[in-house]
Amino acid sequence: AQTVTQSQPEMSVQEAETVTLSCTYDTSESDYYLFWYKQPPSRQMILVIRQEAYKQQNATENRFSVNFQKAAKSFSLKISDSQLGDAAMYFCAYSITQGGSEKLVFGKGTKLTVNP
Amino acid sequence: GAGVSQSPSNKVTEKGKDVELRCDPISGHTALYWYRQSLGQGLEFLIYFQGNSAPDKSGLPSDRFSAERTGGSVSTLTIQRTQQEDSAVYLCASSRYIKGYEQYFGPGTRLTVT
Repeated sequence: AQTVTQSQPEMSVQEAETVTLSCTYDTSESDYYLFWYKQPPSRQMILVIRQEAYKQQNATENRFSVNFQKAAKSFSLKISDSQLGDAAMYFCAYSITQGGSEKLVFGKGTKLTVNP
Repeated sequence: GAGVSQSPSNKVTEKGKDVELRCDPISGHTALYWYRQSLGQGLEFLIYFQGNSAPDKSGLPSDRFSAERTGGSVSTLTIQRTQQEDSAVYLCASSRYIKGYEQYFGPGTRLTVT
């Protein structure tokens, strides 16, 4: 089965501190892509970071970085210097092609609270 | 440029009525996706269009659901004889390319079936 597991339904962090959100996934494909999306209360899903599974180097986007462990099928997101605007639901996902369709498979999400 | 837009933003309908949800993708994006987000099921994939063609419709929850895309642009998701379990946020996304490229999401349509 193609699944994504986010084991932390909720997390909180103090402003300016660092927080790590966990994600594990299960896929039989060798070529896939991993994503973290952010969904603030406005409902608009926004891409935070993207990782190509064939690349060993961990992706980084400003204060956001990932720890990608392919053998362990783990893809955690680290947010450094947390800001109030980082408060949102965070979804881990990977993209697959199945039955001719391209799609994202999402985890259940982690709600991040940033305390001032 | 303009992002993905969806209409209506919110829709309240009575059980048994039909509803149409609209998605306007980013211009030039050939791939279009529909997802459903509900408390119980999380985010689930419904259907994917490459151009006007949907290769696989098995993600649609039941035969009351249908979707089409015309002119390689606007897409409509239609739910016939709505049921309370159809209440959810319906998200549309588009991307210029497939196979791992970023999907740009719209703000969604919140459907409430009373």
